[in-house]
Amino acid sequence: EVQLVESGGDLVQPGGSLRLSCAASGFAFSAYSLNWVRQAPGKGLEWISYIRGDSRATFYAGSVKGRFTVSRDNARNSLYLEMKSLRDEDTAVYYCAREASSGSFLGDWGQGTLVTVSS
Amino acid sequence: DIVMTQSPDSLAVSLGERATINCRSSQGVLHRPNNKNYLAWYQQKPGQPPKLLIYWASTRESGVPDRFSGSGSGTDFTLTISSLQAEDVAVYYCQQYYNAIYSFGQGTKLEIK
Repeated sequence: EVQLVESGGDLVQPGGSLRLSCAASGFAFSAYSLNWVRQAPGKGLEWISYIRGDSRATFYAGSVKGRFTVSRDNARNSLYLEMKSLRDEDTAVYYCAREASSGSFLGDWGQGTLVTVSS
Repeated sequence: DIVMTQSPDSLAVSLGERATINCRSSQGVLHRPNNKNYLAWYQQKPGQPPKLLIYWASTRESGVPDRFSGSGSGTDFTLTISSLQAEDVAVYYCQQYYNAIYSFGQGTKLEIK
């Protein structure tokens, strides 16, 4: 069974930094591309980042480009999101999501971790 | 970047009736070499992560009831629930995965009338 478990969410002040993790199990981790998707309270889904299985390709939404960095450790079956210069509007539940082997749609999702940016 | 626009924002349908949700992309998501539309639909219930329903615009994910169907091509797509059940109350999102910068529609909230 595929499992994705996010952690690291916390209350942080504007301008601060935070690192999220996503621990994966139940599949060949390095073979799959992964994404981060966030959802502000009461709002819709926003895709924010992608990383290929071999880490050779990464992409970001414009809203986080230059502030967030996605990475992965295939030996530890873990995905990370380093977030810097956090803003109030970064407050959201952050989900990690696995792409399917047959296409870039998001077939498996974690339960999410809440990041609150507030003074 | 591709902008996804759903309509309506909310929808109330009687149990057993048909529900239709539309999604339009600001540019085509049909990949002509393989003739596939890079469009997915997700269902999200309160307090839960999204769940994949449909991919390639019309392929139902394993385990998804056949009352859910997807159609459309190019820039215009539709998610149809043929006979609404109480457990279908949720927010539905379309998503394009045509280019490297993915994007979701704003969501459509489906309720029981």
